[in-house]
Amino acid sequence: AQSVTQLGSHVSVSEGALVLLRCNYSSSVPPYLFWYVQYPNQGLQLLLKYTSAATLVKGINGFEAEFKKSETSFHLTKPSAHMSDAAEYFCAVSDGGNTGKLIFGQGTTLQVKP
Amino acid sequence: NAGVTQTPKFQVLKTGQSMTLQCAQDMNHNSMYWYRQDPGMGLRLIYYSASEGTTDKGEVPNGYNVSRLNKREFSLRLESAAPSQTSVYFCASSEVGGGPVGWETQYFGPGTRLLVL
Repeated sequence: AQSVTQLGSHVSVSEGALVLLRCNYSSSVPPYLFWYVQYPNQGLQLLLKYTSAATLVKGINGFEAEFKKSETSFHLTKPSAHMSDAAEYFCAVSDGGNTGKLIFGQGTTLQVKP
Repeated sequence: NAGVTQTPKFQVLKTGQSMTLQCAQDMNHNSMYWYRQDPGMGLRLIYYSASEGTTDKGEVPNGYNVSRLNKREFSLRLESAAPSQTSVYFCASSEVGGGPVGWETQYFGPGTRLLVL
């Protein structure tokens, strides 16, 4: 069965600092992996996704993630945090079937300090 | 193009009352999903509909029913609300079907905040 674990429910960084949000997955089939962002009082929107075309995936707003099969990881990074990056971030893995269902991690809240 | 819309935005119910959460998408997507979001638990799938006319249970279906009214609309019904159903509910849609699947993006509505007293 597929599952996702996000390490750290809260991450705090200073503006301009590196952002690193961790995600590890478990999958019995080659995974499709996603990062979604949720701004306060809004729905989720896609940041980026891994579909096996390239291990380094670039997304919106300067975020990127690297798929590492040996480490079963898909960590999200951004070189320099902005105040506007403060939000909750969710890692997700496809369920391995043909329905498009996703399994979400618990979420990580990113705080950006001035 | 409104994307995915949900009504109502906020609702307060008393234990035992019923209500229906409405969801509609204008992207001509085949698949639609209902999730609930609770602190520290991420999003959990309640029900999904892979195509018009079909519905299936997700991870946490107990206490809920759904209807795929047509390709655009997918409603979630609470027949007898309980305090444990206090949550934020999200509807999503994606274009799944007709070929290899699994990487399609899901598009989310703004959510419905439900409080059951």
